Amino acid sequence: EADIYQTPRYLVIGTGKKITLECSQTMGHDKMYWYQQDPGMELHLIHYSYGVNSTEKGDLSSESTVSRIRTEHFPLTLESARPSHTSQYLCASSEALNTGELFFGEGSRLTVL
Amino acid sequence: KNQVEQSPQSLIILEGKNCTLQCNYTVSPFSNLRWYKQDTGRGPVSLTIMTFSENTKSNGRYTATLDADTKQSSLHITASQLSDSASYICVVSDRGSTLGRLYFGRGTQLTVWP
Repeated sequence: EADIYQTPRYLVIGTGKKITLECSQTMGHDKMYWYQQDPGMELHLIHYSYGVNSTEKGDLSSESTVSRIRTEHFPLTLESARPSHTSQYLCASSEALNTGELFFGEGSRLTVL
Repeated sequence: KNQVEQSPQSLIILEGKNCTLQCNYTVSPFSNLRWYKQDTGRGPVSLTIMTFSENTKSNGRYTATLDADTKQSSLHITASQLSDSASYICVVSDRGSTLGRLYFGRGTQLTVWP
């Protein structure tokens, strides 16, 4: 059972609102990731972090931002949500060594009206 | 271009039957291949990992195979159960960096009917 938690699980908000998706893990993993997933499509990496104070943009361009002030915490923020941001957002973590195994949270489903 | 292609896109089988899901990849250089199971509304969970030297690996009723020469993998599910209904995602890792770039397939949506 993976110890990685995301909140909120579901969020419906209006256009222009600021939102923060929370992600926390208790496994002490250095690497953390945010993926975006739309129905029937592959996961797309939007942000990742090697460790504290490290953040990088992923393959898919995103208007969101992330921070990594603590090892266990990797929140994602959208300053002004738009309907195009409607999607499933998955947070994941992995050990420092590149085993390739990702431990995922249960996801945050965002709907922007 | 590095890609991961999965087939079929969706599959419906009756409980108790077997099925095989396919994954073809063009990722190079190759490090490993993982199969993940993603239940509806949940995050993916790793089922098995295949490295270059491995041909077959089992995890309960799940058996994964890898042919590194043809760059194909399969996931065979034996005696399916209703709880096997999920999306099965093939993920291939390259050796390009310490991070290891991951390439995701779109998944096969499996539905098991009673």
